[in-house]
Amino acid sequence: GQQLNQSPQSMFIQEGEDVSMNCTSSSIFNTWLWYKQDPGEGPVLLIALYKAGELTSNGRLTAQFGITRKDSFLNISASIPSDVGIYFCAGPPRGSTLGRLDFGRGTQLTVWP
Amino acid sequence: DGGITQSPKYLFRKEGQNVTLSCEQNLNHDAMYWYRQDPGQGLRLIYYSQIVNDFQKGDIAEGYSVSREKKESFPLTVTSAQKNPTAFYLCASSADPRGTGELFFGEGSRLTVL
Repeated sequence: GQQLNQSPQSMFIQEGEDVSMNCTSSSIFNTWLWYKQDPGEGPVLLIALYKAGELTSNGRLTAQFGITRKDSFLNISASIPSDVGIYFCAGPPRGSTLGRLDFGRGTQLTVWP
Repeated sequence: DGGITQSPKYLFRKEGQNVTLSCEQNLNHDAMYWYRQDPGQGLRLIYYSQIVNDFQKGDIAEGYSVSREKKESFPLTVTSAQKNPTAFYLCASSADPRGTGELFFGEGSRLTVL
C-alpha cells in the first residue's frame, strides 16, 4: 500500500494560534478521514469526508476534500493545550484491495501555553 | 460500553520468543485490522480480516500470524521471525468490510524485545 504524503511532520505553536495541515496522494481517493491520536492511545476519528469539494466542520476543526480527489486539508482554529497529539489522514485508495485504509505518517502537534 | 479491548498494554519479550497480542471487540463489526506504529512512520497494515475464518496479508505481514475463529476476536502473534518486533501495535475494527468507513481503534499494545 502507498503512504499518503502528510505535512508538516511536526508543528510547535502557541495557544490561540490557528493550525493547518494537509495530505496528498498520487492516487484518487473516494473518502478522506482525519484521526487524532493522544499519547499512548489509539487514534480517534475527527472528521470524515465523502465528496470532492466537501467542507466539513467539527467544533474548531474544519476539513476539506480536495476537488482533484488527491488531497485534503485540516485546519484547527484557536488552538488549546488539549489539541496536542498526532493527527493522521487516511483513506481507501480507489482500486485498492477491499478492506484497507492507507495512512499518512502523521503531523505531531505541540501547543505551548 | 462497546469498544475494542487490547491486552496486554505493555509486554516485554526476549529475542527468539513468540508472543500473542489479544484484540476483542463487542461492536459486532465484521472487519478487524492490525496496524504497527513506529515513530515517524505512521500506521502500517499487518493483517486484516473482513469476515470470520478469513484474513488477508497487509503491507508488512512477514513475521506475523493471525487467526479469526470468532467474530469478536482477532489475535496477533509476533513470531521470532519478525526482525524488528519492538513497536506499538494497534487493533481496529470497522462495520464496513469494504474499508471505506470509520475505524475504531483499541488503546494499543506496546511490545519491547529485550
